[in-house]
Order: sequence, then C-alpha cells, then structure tokens
Amino acid sequence: GEDVEQSLFLSVREGDSSVINCTYTDSSSTYLYWYKQEPGAGLQLLTYIFSNMDMKQDQRLTVLLNKKDKHLSLRIADTQTGDSAIYFCAESKTGAGSYQLTFGKGTKLSVIP
Amino acid sequence: DAGVTQSPTHLIKTRGQHVTLRCSPISGHKSVSWYQQVLGQGPQFIFQYYEKEERGRGNFPDRFSARQFPNYSSELNVNALLLGDSALYLCASSLGAEETQYFGPGTRLLVL
Repeated sequence: GEDVEQSLFLSVREGDSSVINCTYTDSSSTYLYWYKQEPGAGLQLLTYIFSNMDMKQDQRLTVLLNKKDKHLSLRIADTQTGDSAIYFCAESKTGAGSYQLTFGKGTKLSVIP
Repeated sequence: DAGVTQSPTHLIKTRGQHVTLRCSPISGHKSVSWYQQVLGQGPQFIFQYYEKEERGRGNFPDRFSARQFPNYSSELNVNALLLGDSALYLCASSLGAEETQYFGPGTRLLVL
C-alpha cells in the first residue's frame, strides 16, 4: 500500500472548519509536513510538526499528531474560498544518506461560497 | 528574498530526446532536491544534493541524472525521454541536508 494515505476529496462551506486527515507508516519520521498546491503551481509549505509534539497551532491552522496511530490531521479554521487547493501530507525519511519527503496523493479541498 | 526559481516553466519534447531542467535555491541554502509529480499524484523523490555531493537517489532509472554547482544551483537531466516522463518537475531547497524543504514553481514537461 501507499506509505502516506489521504482521502482524495473534501468539500466544506465558507466559514466552516476543514479537517484533512493523513496516515503515515514510518514511525521514525522526525518531521511531518503539510503543503498546499494551487492549480498549475508548485508546493507551498503550510506548516510542519516535530514528531515529539502532539499539536501545533499557527493562526488558522492546527496540526494534530497521534504518533501511536501514525495519524496526522490539519484543521483550517474559518475556511475561505482562497483555501481551495490540493493539500499534501508528507513524512520525512532518512536513508542511505538522503533526507527525502514521501507524499500522499493529496486531498482536494473545495470551498463552497 | 527570492524563493526557489526554476527554468524553463514549460517544455515540450519528443520521445528519445533529452532535457535539462534548472533550479536556483534560496540564497544561503546548500541542499537541492528534485521531485517528479505526475498528474493526479503526489511528488516522488528523484535526487538530493548537498554541498555538491549526491546524498540520495529515488527509484528512477539511470536516464535521470543531476548535479549541483559551486553556487548551489542544480540541473536535472533526463535522457531518452519516454511519454511517461511527462510530469511537473519540482525542485526544493533547504538550508541543510535534513531541514525543511521549500519548493519552486516547477517545470512542466510534456513528451510527445
């Protein structure tokens, strides 16, 4: 199966909260990341969490990490139409000298005005 | 400060040709990584370079090669292009080898 799994679609109304979930497999990942990708663009770093933390809050974004279940979530408060994009969860992996990110397939967030 | 820059933004090639993609990291960053993103998928790791040395390579054939220059910019080369090489190629830079990666806008390659 995939190393990192995410649901593919999420639809929310403007002003509501969005919660995007992710499961990963590598318990030795030191950092877990959330990136945002708008159509035709590269990846924008949204936030990240160190593996010894349970929660991180950054303005409208809240990241929750359940290390036991290898579950990561991103909550976006007061979702706006500008938040419509694809959100990627990524785990960091070290091996054979490299530090690489392994991404899920992405969750497409659609915000309904 | 400028972010990660990549050139060209778009490229069309035919099967069998080769291509060179370029990346300039954020000023002060010494590591560059390359990823391939096929439509509908997440990015897949191709290479990481740090201080001009290859640090790691993903599961890609030898047709893919890269290098990093003394000014920390990088090139990704792909030989004998296949239709399946059509993708968005993303470059990411980081301060050190095991630090947060910041992505550029990508080069969209279409192989006909």
